[in-house]
Amino acid sequence: KAGVTQTPRYLIKTRGQQVTLSCSPISGHRSVSWYQQTPGQGLQFLFEYFSETQRNKGNFPGRFSGRQFSNSRSEMNVSTLELGDSALYLCASSYGQGNEQFFGPGTRLTVL
Amino acid sequence: KQEVTQIPAALSVPEGENLVLNCSFTDSAIYNLQWFRQDPGKGLTSLLLIQSSQREQTSGRLNASLDKSSGRSTLYIAASQPGDSATYLCAVSLWTSGTYKYIFGTGTRLKVLA
Repeated sequence: KAGVTQTPRYLIKTRGQQVTLSCSPISGHRSVSWYQQTPGQGLQFLFEYFSETQRNKGNFPGRFSGRQFSNSRSEMNVSTLELGDSALYLCASSYGQGNEQFFGPGTRLTVL
Repeated sequence: KQEVTQIPAALSVPEGENLVLNCSFTDSAIYNLQWFRQDPGKGLTSLLLIQSSQREQTSGRLNASLDKSSGRSTLYIAASQPGDSATYLCAVSLWTSGTYKYIFGTGTRLKVLA
């Protein structure tokens, strides 16, 4: 069974631009969560989607948004990028909410 | 508010040692607890999942225990190897405010010396 995949793996953007990251969950998984990981703040929860609905949201500004499609694939978007948005963005999928999570390899975003 | 703490933050041991990593949480009303390892710059790899009704889980050289009453979980690694060097994180899943949430600890950075 294929694992969680994330694309792209690396991104370099400049301040003010926007970016879209993609996550394909394990087949059959309906819950997708997004996290931001930085050396200073550790792993921080962004949001969770289940059956195309956002069920949970972390404490991030409105520049961070996401969505989930009917095939459970998810995208997250960050608009008006800031230097502080440079981070490893991780996606995790689970069969249902609260269940065992499986993580993708992450997307490394660098904002210049 | 649920808080998850991992002590120590870093650990360095010689190869072959048995070691214990600790995870503490403040609210015992958890749904499950999961242990992960993370290699530098990579995603998290699930190691073990313990449901709230279970006391322990084992996988190879790894054994994780859960004591909800004391708010503690331990990850036991037997006969450590250099390949075990990584950051280990624990995460609790709990039902709160009408939804499930995952709370992660800050991790223990393990280095096993050859």
